[in-house]
Amino acid sequence: QSVLTQPPSVSGAPGQRVTISCTGTRSNIGAGYDVHWYQQVPGTAPKLLIYGNNNRPSGVPDRFSGSQSGTSASLAITGLQAEDEADYYCQSYDSSLSAWVFGGGTKLTVL
Amino acid sequence: QLQLQESGPGLVKPSETLSLTCTVSGDSISSSSTYWGWIRQPPGKGLEWIGSVYSIGSTYYTPSLKSRVAIFVDTSKNHFSLRLTSVTAADTAVYYCVRGITIFGVAGIWFDPWGQGTLVTVSS
Repeated sequence: QSVLTQPPSVSGAPGQRVTISCTGTRSNIGAGYDVHWYQQVPGTAPKLLIYGNNNRPSGVPDRFSGSQSGTSASLAITGLQAEDEADYYCQSYDSSLSAWVFGGGTKLTVL
Repeated sequence: QLQLQESGPGLVKPSETLSLTCTVSGDSISSSSTYWGWIRQPPGKGLEWIGSVYSIGSTYYTPSLKSRVAIFVDTSKNHFSLRLTSVTAADTAVYYCVRGITIFGVAGIWFDPWGQGTLVTVSS
């Protein structure tokens, strides 16, 4: 069981907006530790999507955005495209474990 | 452009030691504020951080593997390595080497880039 909780799956039609939640506790997200997001297309390595809660690396479209509040964080994808179909993971630091931790991953299906 | 490439055996016998190397190209492994590490992904499952090492010393390991894992840097070869002892079938996974970056302290690390990953199967 992952320290950070994500929904197993979400879906949306092309052009729509979807959000993926990442729920933690007071020892990780709630303690103010940054949340980062990764996209993993099946068969490939994960790729950094969002760092420091809401910052996009160069080359990541502005359709992707992140937010954080309390013990949770969210990844929003607007203008959904077929190429966005992938697994998405959140990541943060947990002070009780003294470890960097991941969410269990969310599979995004573009209908 | 920084690139990471994993190498090592794809098959390890139970109770033996898993050893992987990550070759770094495009940057010095001694760069400041940079952490080098390993993350694994069992087939069909999620990501698990294994450990990270700061280029000049400090190491950090996930609690569940701490007694069996070591990560060390070879600055002369610009590569870093993973050693996991006493492996079982539960250690079968794709192993990724990663660079960890932070701006505001070690807890804020994010991982970028990732190597392509290498599948290690534990089986007799």
